[in-house]
Amino acid sequence: QVQLQESGPGLVRPSETLSLTCTVSGGSISSYYWSWIRQPPGKGLEWIGYMHHSGSFSYNPSLRGRVTIAVATSKNQVSLIVNSVTAADTAVYYCASQTSAAGSTDDWGQGTLVTVSS
Amino acid sequence: DIQMTQSPSSLSASVGDRVTLTCRASQYISTYLNWYQQKPGKAPNLLVYAASSLQSGVPSRFSGSGSGTDFTLTISSLQPEDFATYYCEQSYTTPRTFGPGTKVDFK
Repeated sequence: QVQLQESGPGLVRPSETLSLTCTVSGGSISSYYWSWIRQPPGKGLEWIGYMHHSGSFSYNPSLRGRVTIAVATSKNQVSLIVNSVTAADTAVYYCASQTSAAGSTDDWGQGTLVTVSS
Repeated sequence: DIQMTQSPSSLSASVGDRVTLTCRASQYISTYLNWYQQKPGKAPNLLVYAASSLQSGVPSRFSGSGSGTDFTLTISSLQPEDFATYYCEQSYTTPRTFGPGTKVDFK
């Protein structure tokens, strides 16, 4: 079981870039697939995408190419970038881990609320 | 994308009740179906993976079944700590998709 902690700005202006970091502890970052999942206030869960340190990745097409997930093995960190944000990107963002590409999401961070507003 | 539906959207139950939640996929997903429990203000917690495998540490009153397109999560005897929202997720293909959730609250 790994421990995950998200961090980053809680407020982002419309049209700007959302950038979050997930710090991983208790396990090797090379052993997992790293996902980001978000949840708008009062709504359900939306899968954003995953990345593996080998370079294997997949993103949700619904985000229209605005997303980049990166793994920094030396820092034990996973990052999320979402470009050109709108109010629709306001959500709690979760970092999470899987042991395989099609496996369950076993461990989750506590989540961080990002609000998009001017 | 594979669409996931859950029924009911909410249900009211009492401690000790047997509760069955249903999840349906819009197309075949084998047993690539996971169940999560989420309490207010908390991250989801994995209960069942691969349709019927209980995650380590999850009480045995939880069980999952199904394959193909139709799945169920059963709580054999509802406990006070089980009042929460339950989500199913397909991991058969990307984009991974979640159901809208079933909220279980006090009758």
